[in-house]
Amino acid sequence: SQTIHQWPATLVQPVGSPLSLECTVEGTSNPNLYWYRQAAGRGLQLLFYSVGIGQISSEVPQNLSASRPQDRQFILSSKKLLLSDSGFYLCACFTARDPYEQYFGPGTRLTVT
Amino acid sequence: DQQVKQNSPSLSVQEGRISILNCDYTNSMFDYFLWYKKYPAEGPTFLISISSIKDKNEDGRFTVFLNKSAKHLSLHIVPSQPGDSAVYFCAANLGAGSYQLTFGKGTKLSVIP
Repeated sequence: SQTIHQWPATLVQPVGSPLSLECTVEGTSNPNLYWYRQAAGRGLQLLFYSVGIGQISSEVPQNLSASRPQDRQFILSSKKLLLSDSGFYLCACFTARDPYEQYFGPGTRLTVT
Repeated sequence: DQQVKQNSPSLSVQEGRISILNCDYTNSMFDYFLWYKKYPAEGPTFLISISSIKDKNEDGRFTVFLNKSAKHLSLHIVPSQPGDSAVYFCAANLGAGSYQLTFGKGTKLSVIP
């Protein structure tokens, strides 16, 4: 079965600083990859998803961006963080073996100060 | 507009009793429904699912019921255990060919010993 790695696990960044969160997937090939954010008092908000290398779809307009440089690597970035970017960021994947289930990584806790 | 709604942000239940978590949806095109369990600072894990052609699916202590006419599903946990204390997310999928899940905001279940 697939394993999703995310790093860092926690991050404290000042407002206006850049951001780079990385997600890698093991145990599967050609997965669909997703970035979600869970903010305080809110559910899981889909930010980006990717069906292949270089293919990114954005669900919510924001100052974040995503890239998929390799089949099993998904990166979430920002040039200038806002206070509202604080939250718990989750990477997830969908595979052809389990077409309806998404598997989630352990998450990154981001605090923007 | 939220298509998947979990109207109870929290629920407290005595150990050994039944926990019932509810979920409503508005999109009649949803074809597959899932429940995820999430502990603090961890990614959600898949718990149980149900296809729209069924009205019940059971897995050990967990049973999901689907009422399509009411656009309502529920998760029953019997008997509830302290280890069940977590946030439970309801999610829906549009079915074959769709690789996106729409999540509710979650319900925090506390099982009191």
